Amino acid sequence: GAGVSQTPSNKVTEKGKYVELRCDPISGHTALYWYRQSLGQGPEFLIYFQGTGAADDSGLPNDRFFAVRPEGSVSTLKIQRTERGDSAVYLCASSLKALGLAGGAPRGGSSTDTQYFGPGTRLTVL
Amino acid sequence: GENVEQHPSTLSVQEGDSAVIKCTYSDSASNYFPWYKQELGKRPQLIIDIRSNVGEKKDQRIAVTLNKTAKHFSLHITETQPEDSAVYFCAARATARQLTFGSGTQLTVLP
Repeated sequence: GAGVSQTPSNKVTEKGKYVELRCDPISGHTALYWYRQSLGQGPEFLIYFQGTGAADDSGLPNDRFFAVRPEGSVSTLKIQRTERGDSAVYLCASSLKALGLAGGAPRGGSSTDTQYFGPGTRLTVL
Repeated sequence: GENVEQHPSTLSVQEGDSAVIKCTYSDSASNYFPWYKQELGKRPQLIIDIRSNVGEKKDQRIAVTLNKTAKHFSLHITETQPEDSAVYFCAARATARQLTFGSGTQLTVLP
């Protein structure tokens, strides 16, 4: 089936502008995560949705960042008054559920909490 | 919060040799440890994971070990092939749902 998709793949904007990044999770996945990956670094958590609600937004760097998931499927990450330091790859991930079973999945199978990543949106703020 | 450290940052091995990447974590409540492989310009892809009730897990040429007491876990790749070349990230998850990632290891398998 289709994996996590993100649009646009690349976004170039000017300092001070507003941008929206979209994530389409795997169909049926209730949990959705946004991460930000800077060059040479691992992904850093931004926000997590369980269904329509933001269950944890502790990773959002400041109030210029906001995300929504109004119908529990597609999510949009919104950045106001962009700064050069916002330049990074923004990754979205989804999982069937937020937490899996303690015993894990059968050998060769995926767990319900396995996070599947999208291809990311590369944001460049000039 | 959770802090994950990963070593080495770069690793070069000859084709056919083994590669080992090590990670440590800080939060003793962490109970899930996935490993992701990321090729240049591509999305991170899960290659193996382990939970805290298991000490070792193997899947063909890939294995992961977990030492809860010492709070470290390792990725082992045997019989390396050029297509194993990529950046590998370890991650840990505690009671919160999000993953905390290490800084990555650039693995190069030399033919």
